[in-house]
Amino acid sequence: NAGVMQNPRHLVRRRGQEARLRCSPMKGHSHVYWYRQLPEEGLKFMVYLQKENIIDESGMPKERFSAEFPKEGPSILRIQQVVRGDSAAYFCASSPPVRQVLQETQYFGPGTRLLVL
Amino acid sequence: QQQVKQSPQSLIVQKGGIPIINCAYENTAFDYFPWYQQFPGKGPALLIAIRPDVSEKKEGRFTISFNKSAKQFSLHIMDSQPGDSATYFCAASSPGAGSYQLTFGKGTKLSVIP
Repeated sequence: NAGVMQNPRHLVRRRGQEARLRCSPMKGHSHVYWYRQLPEEGLKFMVYLQKENIIDESGMPKERFSAEFPKEGPSILRIQQVVRGDSAAYFCASSPPVRQVLQETQYFGPGTRLLVL
Repeated sequence: QQQVKQSPQSLIVQKGGIPIINCAYENTAFDYFPWYQQFPGKGPALLIAIRPDVSEKKEGRFTISFNKSAKQFSLHIMDSQPGDSATYFCAASSPGAGSYQLTFGKGTKLSVIP
């Protein structure tokens, strides 16, 4: 009964390096969402993907951030040239395919805590 | 512009008490309202969710009350226990453009003291 898996759980990067965060959705789920959580704050939507498609990236910063969900393998959130302000917890959520009951129900992974030195 | 406002920011209750957390929203297109529970260092876990066509939903010790005309909804935790101490988030989504992105409140840190 594997839930949403994320790795790494903790990631330390120096300013200017790249961060790659991975997310494997729950079995049978084809929709992936990425959210960012700053300390003492709620989660903020970043991007919504289906296999090989970005559906909604309205919450994604225009520069340095990108996301993909390939046909095979996990979804990847990539942050290039990280800055201290990127330090946060990044959560991935998955949901069932469209036309299933409550397709908007999202199940969250444990998160990746990124620290930029 | 914060679309979902949550209060209080923190809450302390005695064991057995009934903490109430309130949320208000602005976007009338929202049609799905979940509550999540988050423990330190963990991801949010779905507790209970409601749609606007229902005024109340109960699952175990957790109850959502929904007031569509006031655009408000609240979470009640019956017979609260120390193990309920966590941060609670309300959220809302609408199916606009086929995206079900969740808009979260800022969270309520609940402490249940023995």
